[in-house]
Amino acid sequence: DARVTQTPRHKVTEMGQEVTMRCQPILGHNTVFWYRQTMMQGLELLAYFRNRAPLDDSGMPKDRFSAEMPDATLATLKIQPSEPRDSAVYFCASGLVFIQTDQRSINQPQHFGDGTRLSIL
Amino acid sequence: AQKVTQAQTEISVVEKEDVTLDCVYETRDTTYYLFWYKQPPSGELVFLIRRNSFDEQNEISGRYSWNFQKSTSSFNFTITASQVVDSAVYFCALSGGSQGNLIFGKGTKLSVKP
Repeated sequence: DARVTQTPRHKVTEMGQEVTMRCQPILGHNTVFWYRQTMMQGLELLAYFRNRAPLDDSGMPKDRFSAEMPDATLATLKIQPSEPRDSAVYFCASGLVFIQTDQRSINQPQHFGDGTRLSIL
Repeated sequence: AQKVTQAQTEISVVEKEDVTLDCVYETRDTTYYLFWYKQPPSGELVFLIRRNSFDEQNEISGRYSWNFQKSTSSFNFTITASQVVDSAVYFCALSGGSQGNLIFGKGTKLSVKP
């Protein structure tokens, strides 16, 4: 079965350090999402791309977070500088979204990677 | 605005009991999708089901069944004859408009005791 692959699985670092999380979406999926899971906020959307173009990053703190998709097989999420409040599990997901002529979408299920558990000390 | 409410934070049952997880959603979109995901203790998110807003047929898959009612904006999930392996956090999610992103509920933690 095709899977979304995320690396690293775990990351522990000190505040102020740069953190880069990587995601390989499922081949053929046109949309890639980054979500963050915390006890307080639950699962929340950070950013997403369609056909590699960024569509929405309003969920991200702009001053320290950046998301890119340099090619169809790689999405990255960077935090610089990291802070203790960034500690969370970060999930990447990919899926197929079709936009019909009436602008309504057909949303296939998103498939999630195993997540990156990030701890900022 | 879109919102998903899972009022049950935690449920504990004994093996072989039936259990229903509630999900209520809010959306102004006429076309939308509803999902259930399972998050076992190992942490991954596993897709269980997708339902679109035009299909109100209930669905059964083995011990799992889903009841979608647009009139009450609910998409409830029932596990029949629960097993210890069903212990997990279950998330209901909504996707609408042209974005495709998921709006998650807070999740229901299900504990099935032997």
